[in-house]
Amino acid sequence: QKEVEQNSGPLSVPEGAIASLNCTYSDRGSQSFFWYRQYSGKSPELIMSIYSNGDKEDGRFTAQLNKASQYVSLLIRDSQPSDSATYLCAVNSGGSNYKLTFGKGTLLTVNP
Amino acid sequence: GAVVSQHPSWVICKSGTSVKIECRSLDFQATTMFWYRQFPKQSLMLMATSNEGSKATYEQGVEKDKFLINHASLTLSTLTVTSAHPEDSSFYICSATGTSGRAVREQYFGPGTRLTVT
Repeated sequence: QKEVEQNSGPLSVPEGAIASLNCTYSDRGSQSFFWYRQYSGKSPELIMSIYSNGDKEDGRFTAQLNKASQYVSLLIRDSQPSDSATYLCAVNSGGSNYKLTFGKGTLLTVNP
Repeated sequence: GAVVSQHPSWVICKSGTSVKIECRSLDFQATTMFWYRQFPKQSLMLMATSNEGSKATYEQGVEKDKFLINHASLTLSTLTVTSAHPEDSSFYICSATGTSGRAVREQYFGPGTRLTVT
């Protein structure tokens, strides 16, 4: 059973701080890793993808991947109230149909 | 790029009737589409995976005769909820992945369809 684990939160940070979201996965053969943001009542929105060990930065977002530790994280710098949402970690184990296994999500609240 | 649309965005139907939901990839060819269901304050649940021109693959516990999926073209997949009951009321979301551009290896989600069965 492939599993993706996230701390459900809620994670509360003040505006302007760095929010750190963590995710571990069980399938060592996983190849692709994604972070989605889901606002309440809306569908998930892809914000970051990462495929190799190390850091990947896109604006205020940095994804970090450590395959040896089976760990992927998302850092949000200069957090804004508009970042308040549930963040879903998703992992693809390399199947040809790109099926994803999702974590249950971490609820982030950024306080003004 | 990588835009997915769904129609309708919300629908109310009576118990026992059928409802069809459309999912379209607008700017890429979607070789694979996925259908998810999400109940309030719960995580996404994958219902089925469909490849263009093939029968859908359903997840364990999902009734394939109740949730009919058709992926007849590279830009359109449909989900039909047959003989809907109040317990089928949920948020249905499709996603798609394609063969070119940003849609390769990445799943992009449609905006979802909120179904209420009365």
